[in-house]
Amino acid sequence: AQRVTQPEKLLSVFKGAPVELKCNYSYSGSPELFWYVQYSRQRLQLLLRHISRESIKGFTADLNKGETSFHLKKPFAQEEDSAMYYCALSGSGSNYQLIWGAGTKLIIKP
Amino acid sequence: KAGVTQTPRYLIKTRGQQVTLSCSPISGHRSVSWYQQTPGQGLQFLFEYFSETQRNKGNFPGRFSGRQFSNSRSEMNVSTLELGDSALYLCASSVGGEQFFGPGTRLTVL
Repeated sequence: AQRVTQPEKLLSVFKGAPVELKCNYSYSGSPELFWYVQYSRQRLQLLLRHISRESIKGFTADLNKGETSFHLKKPFAQEEDSAMYYCALSGSGSNYQLIWGAGTKLIIKP
Repeated sequence: KAGVTQTPRYLIKTRGQQVTLSCSPISGHRSVSWYQQTPGQGLQFLFEYFSETQRNKGNFPGRFSGRQFSNSRSEMNVSTLELGDSALYLCASSVGGEQFFGPGTRLTVL
């Protein structure tokens, strides 16, 4: 079954501490993985996708096919990183339906 | 380009009524997806339309329906509203696998 699992509903860390939001997936094939973010009172928006291999706002995520994971990391958390983070998966081919994780609420404490 | 727009932004209805929500995608985007977002269930996929055809459907009852017009604008309809339908309904248009979200319509069912 195709599934995206974000094991933490809530993650709270202090400013300046490292952050890792976990995402595991189940998919038979070659998926494309995404991280979306929703800041308070803002639209849900794409943070990064694994094929671009970019660092956005200091966040990186590496696709680990062996562990079927796509964890989101940032070495030094900032208060403005507080938001809801969703991991999503898109299958191969022309069907772009995204399969979503339940989301992790990240709170950065001052 | 203008972003995804949704109307109305807020709606209050009573049980048993029906409601129609509208979504205008980004110009040139032919795929439109609808989601229900609630604090308890997170982001849940309703359906996706591409070139006026429903291409994917989530696990929602038949009271939830949608359509897409030739200009890619989309509507979703919920009939016989229930209290549990109170949620933020998000629309997203997509191209190349990335989804662009609208601000949502906040539906309250009394």
